[in-house]
Amino acid sequence: GESVGLHLPTLSVQEGDNSIINCAYSNSASDYFIWYKQESGKGPQFIIDIRSNMDKRQGQRVTVLLNKTVKHLSLQIAATQPGDSAVYFCAESTGTGRRALTFGSGTRLQVQP
Amino acid sequence: NAGVTQTPKFRVLKTGQSMTLLCAQDMNHEYMYWYRQDPGMGLRLIHYSVGEGTTAKGEVPDGYNVSRLKKQNFLLGLESAAPSQTSVYFCASRQQTGGSYEQYFGPGTRLTVT
Repeated sequence: GESVGLHLPTLSVQEGDNSIINCAYSNSASDYFIWYKQESGKGPQFIIDIRSNMDKRQGQRVTVLLNKTVKHLSLQIAATQPGDSAVYFCAESTGTGRRALTFGSGTRLQVQP
Repeated sequence: NAGVTQTPKFRVLKTGQSMTLLCAQDMNHEYMYWYRQDPGMGLRLIHYSVGEGTTAKGEVPDGYNVSRLKKQNFLLGLESAAPSQTSVYFCASRQQTGGSYEQYFGPGTRLTVT
């Protein structure tokens, strides 16, 4: 089946730097994408989402970029903090009502003090 | 609001035993989901429900059954547990319509089958 994957399994950054987490998707029919953050021992938490009719969407300290031409998604975190250390998942959805999400395998972000 | 809650938090089963995981949500969401997460991997969808009395298969449904008798509850059953079902199980819910398709997740149930 179609899958969502990530380029980098682990990303290590210095506190205060900007982080960029990448995600490639293979289903060209996907029209909704979402990023989740998962801290150790907890369930995933919503970060930001984007529809396929947009190229960019900004939240608080986070920006998601969507490049439909190369089927690539990225999450940018500004001024990375120790509390940002977690595993980040991208997920895609398609179809009527966008009922189901297909998750990628995740990238671990480590923030060095 | 408690959001999405799951019981139990931990469980150890022997091969062949059965159990039921309970998920409850107090957000009046129509859609509910069960996922499993294996070490170092993303979440895989087991079953989901788009409303009370309805269920549908996800990516990895074999060995599991579900029921949605009440809108706020979604039960996941293992009739005969196998070591391959050792995993962390997450329940999620979301509203049917609206601007976002965000799924809200529970804290997870860690299941070990020996």
